[in-house]
Amino acid sequence: TQLLEQSPQFLSIQEGENLTVYCNSSSVFSSLQWYRQEPGEGPVLLVTVVTGGEVKKLKRLTFQFGDARKDSSLHITAAQPGDTGLYLCAGVRNSGYALNFGKGTSLLVT
Amino acid sequence: KAGVTQTPRYLIKTRGQQVTLSCSPISGHRSVSWYQQTPGQGLQFLFEYFSETQRNKGNFPGRFSGRQFSNSRSEMNVSTLELGDSALYLCASSLGQGGGETQYFGPGTRLLVL
Repeated sequence: TQLLEQSPQFLSIQEGENLTVYCNSSSVFSSLQWYRQEPGEGPVLLVTVVTGGEVKKLKRLTFQFGDARKDSSLHITAAQPGDTGLYLCAGVRNSGYALNFGKGTSLLVT
Repeated sequence: KAGVTQTPRYLIKTRGQQVTLSCSPISGHRSVSWYQQTPGQGLQFLFEYFSETQRNKGNFPGRFSGRQFSNSRSEMNVSTLELGDSALYLCASSLGQGGGETQYFGPGTRLLVL
């Protein structure tokens, strides 16, 4: 059973469109991270959110942590081809240490 | 600062063989974690080493083992390879201060078991 469920699994959009990726769980997380992975490379950290309700912006990317710290979303405004990649959310449960990853959302911007 | 390096980058083995993968963390990082990435299961945590001791372990069979050396370099070993072990194996290093800290990933070793 996957601890973190990401949706959608695949997304193909045109340059300039907006999109939102979701990361949901029934567990509470002390922190949640978003990574982007490009082919042939390891994941690269984009952001860490730790407070329920927190919103962080990174240029055209907006990350939100749910009030109950069980879910998160990533919104990209005016997507560009350079945004293409696999977006992964990962969380640390209150009782744990290890990062639990979602299966990822594969984004293609053309 | 040099990033995390993993060797080899690609590996082909046959069922029943064993394999050893290597990971060199970022200088100054004392924690090394290993993950298995497959299309079906995504990224799954294998284990984490800190100061030469296994500190956390995921839900993988005993065929998967690892170790860490005094210079923080780590190796992962998989014995009696199975077809299902074909995957991208990623290591990540961090300072080791606790869960949720930034982990820096290497490019991975892609293992194909025939």
